[in-house]
Amino acid sequence: NAGVMQNPRHLVRRRGQEARLRCSPMKGHSHVYWYRQLPEEGLKFMVYLQKENIIDESGMPKERFSAEFPKEGPSILRIQQVVRGDSAAYFCASSPRDRGIDYGYTFGSGTRLTVV
Amino acid sequence: SQKIEQNSEALNIQEGKTATLTCNYTNYSPAYLQWYRQDPGRGPVFLLLIRENEKEKRKERLKVTFDTTLKQSLFHITASQPADSATYLCALDLDTGRRALTFGSGTRLQVQP
Repeated sequence: NAGVMQNPRHLVRRRGQEARLRCSPMKGHSHVYWYRQLPEEGLKFMVYLQKENIIDESGMPKERFSAEFPKEGPSILRIQQVVRGDSAAYFCASSPRDRGIDYGYTFGSGTRLTVV
Repeated sequence: SQKIEQNSEALNIQEGKTATLTCNYTNYSPAYLQWYRQDPGRGPVFLLLIRENEKEKRKERLKVTFDTTLKQSLFHITASQPADSATYLCALDLDTGRRALTFGSGTRLQVQP
């Protein structure tokens, strides 16, 4: 298992376009978390999902952002009508237990979104 | 409000010395605390977890302490090496309403050869 896989690594979108970020968790991990990191800032929680369920989306902006983790396939973070302020690194993490208890989170290498 | 504080200034030390990083939190009593390492352009890597009933935990050259009275964790790297240069993040299950870890902004460590 290659760990948490995120793609693409880099994504450039023009203002108003849609950005779609993908995350495949580690094998055996059923908990997926998305975080956003702005330059020189910390990781900000966005959403926590399990298969076919959004468990906690309290960190997700109310508009333009959505996330899903279907029964089959990767988790998707979708940003509609992107704006320059959406430019950031988006990290996905997975864990075998809720909140990384005992095992911590395993992070992917991130998707760097640039909005031009 | 609940928050996590890590020293935003970079820590510069000489190779071979012990690096000590601090994580302070307020207004909550987490059941456990985690430390991660992040290199530029990469995702964080989990290092250690310490529970509230554990005063100290070690892993190779790493040592973490957890003082729930002071609401503080200290992260030590002994016999530091240039390869230890990175940003170190602490993370807590900080908010009972949020089912995810909250991360500090991290402290950058630079080990000089």
